[in-house]
Amino acid sequence: DGGITQSPKYLFRKEGQNVTLSCEQNLNHDAMYWYRQDPGQGLRLIYYSQIVNDFQKGDIAEGYSVSREKKESFPLTVTSAQKNPTAFYLCASSMDRGPGEQYFGPGTRLTVT
Amino acid sequence: GENVEQHPSTLSVQEGDSAVIKCTYSDSASNYFPWYKQELGKRPQLIIDIRSNVGEKKDQRIAVTLNKTAKHFSLHITETQPEDSAVYFCAAISYNFNKFYFGSGTKLNVKP
Repeated sequence: DGGITQSPKYLFRKEGQNVTLSCEQNLNHDAMYWYRQDPGQGLRLIYYSQIVNDFQKGDIAEGYSVSREKKESFPLTVTSAQKNPTAFYLCASSMDRGPGEQYFGPGTRLTVT
Repeated sequence: GENVEQHPSTLSVQEGDSAVIKCTYSDSASNYFPWYKQELGKRPQLIIDIRSNVGEKKDQRIAVTLNKTAKHFSLHITETQPEDSAVYFCAAISYNFNKFYFGSGTKLNVKP
């Protein structure tokens, strides 16, 4: 199960606070992704990055921000502007931006009250 | 935006029977169709994938079929085993246009 890690596993925050979720990979993958998983729904893409210092918005980027300063790291910040932040967040990486397996991290469950 | 519809949402089969999960997509630019298995409390893992230039792919007990004209693809699991019990997600991806869409998942329960 090694290769891509997320921390922490569970995160609790008060409404109005920004929170940053960590995602690290040692697979030497170029591409990294952030998804949100809600009960009864499929994974929805928040942001993705194909290369260092570059990233693009997914379908539900509002209220989120990312950075890709290092190949290994792709942190996601959930800002206070995100209307419904409580969810399960999955990070993934793939060798390049072409068709191929995305390797998922174990996920972070964020609860905002 | 693009939605991938996945059916059924739950599926219960007897051990040894076959299971079929179906997905439809609307974006004709989608050219890569992976299937992921997510066991309870674990991360999704790729089990099989198919590209748009192929109609069928098989890997032991698992097969995927793709009908580009009808825009649907299916996962077939034969001789199901209790360890096949999990949630299965399909996805339709267009790397050319950077579109990544996942189905809502099918919870498969294989009864021993």
